[in-house]
Amino acid sequence: GQQLNQSPQSMFIQEGEDVSMNCTSSSIFNTWLWYKQDPGEGPVLLIALYKAGELTSNGRLTAQFGITRKDSFLNISASIPSDVGIYFCAGQQQGAQKLVFGQGTRLTINP
Amino acid sequence: NAGVTQTPKFRILKIGQSMTLQCAQDMNHNYMYWYRQDPGMGLKLIYYSVGAGITDKGEVPNGYNVSRSTTEDFPLRLELAAPSQTSVYFCASKRDRGGNTGELFFGEGSRLTVL
Repeated sequence: GQQLNQSPQSMFIQEGEDVSMNCTSSSIFNTWLWYKQDPGEGPVLLIALYKAGELTSNGRLTAQFGITRKDSFLNISASIPSDVGIYFCAGQQQGAQKLVFGQGTRLTINP
Repeated sequence: NAGVTQTPKFRILKIGQSMTLQCAQDMNHNYMYWYRQDPGMGLKLIYYSVGAGITDKGEVPNGYNVSRSTTEDFPLRLELAAPSQTSVYFCASKRDRGGNTGELFFGEGSRLTVL
């Protein structure tokens, strides 16, 4: 099936550092979404992007819908301990009924 | 707001037993989904439904069945449990908004162990 390539798979950073992760595909998507999963919980939507080139922020989080429609980026500024978790990108193509998920980026923060 | 509610949260099954994972949403969403997440892995789609009476297979449907008799409920049935079905199961829903895709809302998950 279709896949999104999410990288990096894991990150170990110091508190206060900035974080960048991305998601790429060989196919075009019309919607990109970023989710966060805390340990033992279901994923929660962080940011949704609907237009190529769109740059959207949610507090310390900023995500961009790539201009080619084949990629998306998520940045977290000044990381704090509660940012720990797994971040998933997801995309949906025009007319599709399902999302395609990336494999996730596991973020660990050293205080 | 309840959102997406899954029951049970935890369950241990013996090989060959059957059970149903319940999922209910109170947001009047027409789309509902079942995913499984194996340890350290991403989400794999098992089945989905675009409305009452309509279901379709996802990536990994073998060993599972679903039904969608109402908009609110989307139960997932395991007929003959196998150790390979040990996983965390997530139900999700969304409302398709015209040309844009509505965001997925997830339940808290059901952790299933098959011994």
